Amino acid sequence: QKEVEQDPGPLSVPEGAIVSLNCTYSNSAFQYFMWYRQYSRKGPELLMYTYSSGNKEDGRFTAQVDKSSKYISLFIRDSQPSDSATYLCAMSGYWGGSEKLVFGKGTKLTVNP
Amino acid sequence: ETGVTQTPRHLVMGMTNKKSLKCEQHLGHNAMYWYKQSAKKPLELMFVYNFKEQTENNSVPSRFSPECPNSSHLFLHLHTLQPEDSALYLCASSQRTGTIKTYGYTFGSGTRLTVV
Repeated sequence: QKEVEQDPGPLSVPEGAIVSLNCTYSNSAFQYFMWYRQYSRKGPELLMYTYSSGNKEDGRFTAQVDKSSKYISLFIRDSQPSDSATYLCAMSGYWGGSEKLVFGKGTKLTVNP
Repeated sequence: ETGVTQTPRHLVMGMTNKKSLKCEQHLGHNAMYWYKQSAKKPLELMFVYNFKEQTENNSVPSRFSPECPNSSHLFLHLHTLQPEDSALYLCASSQRTGTIKTYGYTFGSGTRLTVV
């Protein structure tokens, strides 16, 4: 089983839709959970991070972590064409004597006007 | 210029060539990283430098040779590459404070490498 599973999509939605992006993981050592957004021909940029189970909201974006189910989500409300990008989940933890950061494959999202 | 800058943006090289990728960060971070991004694969960590010292090498073939002369600059020297090495190579930096805080990675825009 891969450490972090993320459906690569692609996902296509109409403008204004609610988007749900998800990742599952298998390693209980992960403590920090992040979402990165990567526009075409750009590097990933940090969108949100969370430490514990629960919800974190930032404008139209909500990050959700369920450690008991090893499942994280990113919700985008009122999606806009400018949200079209690849969204990568990432999670970090400390084991084997060092800190590790593991990324999902990324989900390509297109929001159609 | 702020952030993490990578040059060149695009590179086409033959299998017998030698080239170098450059990364510069203007954020005052103390750690720098090389990642490889291939289609439909997760980001693959290649090398980690902490205070100019290499702290991690994820079983990367010797045809990739990193160099970190100071905390602001990172190079990736390439020689005798294979076509399967074609990918987007991303540089990142972060501030490692000794605690588990890796969420502060700042990525450059990457170098799109094509090996012919």
